[in-house]
This record gives sequence, C-alpha cells and structure tokens, in this order.
Amino acid sequence: GESVGLHLPTLSVQEGDNSIINCAYSNSASDYFIWYKQESGKGPQFIIDIRSNMDKRQGQRVTVLLNKTVKHLSLQIAATQPGDSAVYFCAENIGDSSYKLIFGSGTRLLVRP
Amino acid sequence: NAGVTQTPKFQVLKTGQSMTLQCAQDMNHNSMYWYRQDPGMGLRLIYYSASEGTTDKGEVPNGYNVSRLNKREFSLRLESAAPSQTSVYFCASSSRDRGRPDTQYFGPGTRLTVL
Repeated sequence: GESVGLHLPTLSVQEGDNSIINCAYSNSASDYFIWYKQESGKGPQFIIDIRSNMDKRQGQRVTVLLNKTVKHLSLQIAATQPGDSAVYFCAENIGDSSYKLIFGSGTRLLVRP
Repeated sequence: NAGVTQTPKFQVLKTGQSMTLQCAQDMNHNSMYWYRQDPGMGLRLIYYSASEGTTDKGEVPNGYNVSRLNKREFSLRLESAAPSQTSVYFCASSSRDRGRPDTQYFGPGTRLTVL
C-alpha cells in the first residue's frame, strides 16, 4: 500500500454521535472487502466484511457500504463510544489466486467524551 | 482458542544480529502471513504461506526469510538485522477455504527495535 507518512487522517466525533469512515480502494477487480480496527499496541481486529455482490451489510452498531462505481467503501458506526477510539483500516482482496489483502493507510477515530 | 499468538512481544537487537520471530495459530487455518507496520502506516506484506509446505514473497521480502514449520507455525527470520527493520511485526492466518471469503486474523504483534 501507499504510505501517508506519520500523520494519519483523523476523525473526531462526540460520544453518542454517528461516525463515518471512508476508504477509496484501488482495484476494480477486488471482490471482497474487510474493515479492521486497531487499538493502540494491539493487532488489527476484524470488524465486518462485505462481498462485491452486495452494497450494504450491517453488523452490531456498524454498517459497511460499498459503491463499486466509484470504488468507495465506508464504515458507519452508530452511537460512537469511547471504546471505538482506534485506527480503522479497510482492506481489499483482488479475488484472483492471490492470497494477498491490500490495506489502506488507515483513519484514526477519536471519540470526545 | 488462543487464536494467533506471537513471541516475543518486544525485542531489541544490535545491527547485524539475527533472530527469529515465532507465530502459531490454533484455528486450523491453511494460510499464514507476516506483515510489518511502520509508525502511522498501514500493513505491508513480507511473506505468506498459502498452505503447509509453500511460501511466497510479499511486498517487502528483502532481509527476511520464513519457514512454515507445520500447519500451525510460521516463523520469520532476520539474518542480519538493520535499523530499517525497526518496526512492529504482525502474523496473521486465514482459512482460505475454497469458495469462501478469506478473512485474516491477526496476532498481537512483536515490537522490534534495531540499534
């Protein structure tokens, strides 16, 4: 993936508000997408995934939207809580015989009490 | 299930020293991966093993070697550490079942500093 250096994009939201984190993916052949959450000092944790034959998928307090026309993925978090503060990464799988995920550079979510 | 475990959690090396990072998974996954993550950046794939007995280079393989010891274990070796290899190293695994999306599950990471 491309690097953005030391400064991650940051989204600051008030506790209780909804959060929307965006991701532009690179390959129109990608057929599977994942959102990961990474808390400080920990490994990435799976949140939710979506296949390319869907445009929306809901989980508990999270929704992923996929717009294949513009190669855009978003993660919506409802009623954001302090425990949601973390860095969020999107990842795409091209869907060929490759076993590789391509990770975005991440967005830091800060939740204000 | 412990999921994906990594040892050690922290390591400091001098330039030129060698070491092996260990990774094990108890999810009976076929595929395993090694990534590095530098400050403020995403994950970059170093090597992966699609199945037991196979390994392939990822995006940044130079300076590293790997061994898929068995289905559970996948180790990463630095033969002659360099300061540029200071990073956090993550191991991951996935089932890679035919016809199913392939979610990777990550270990807690090894924080390596090379002086």
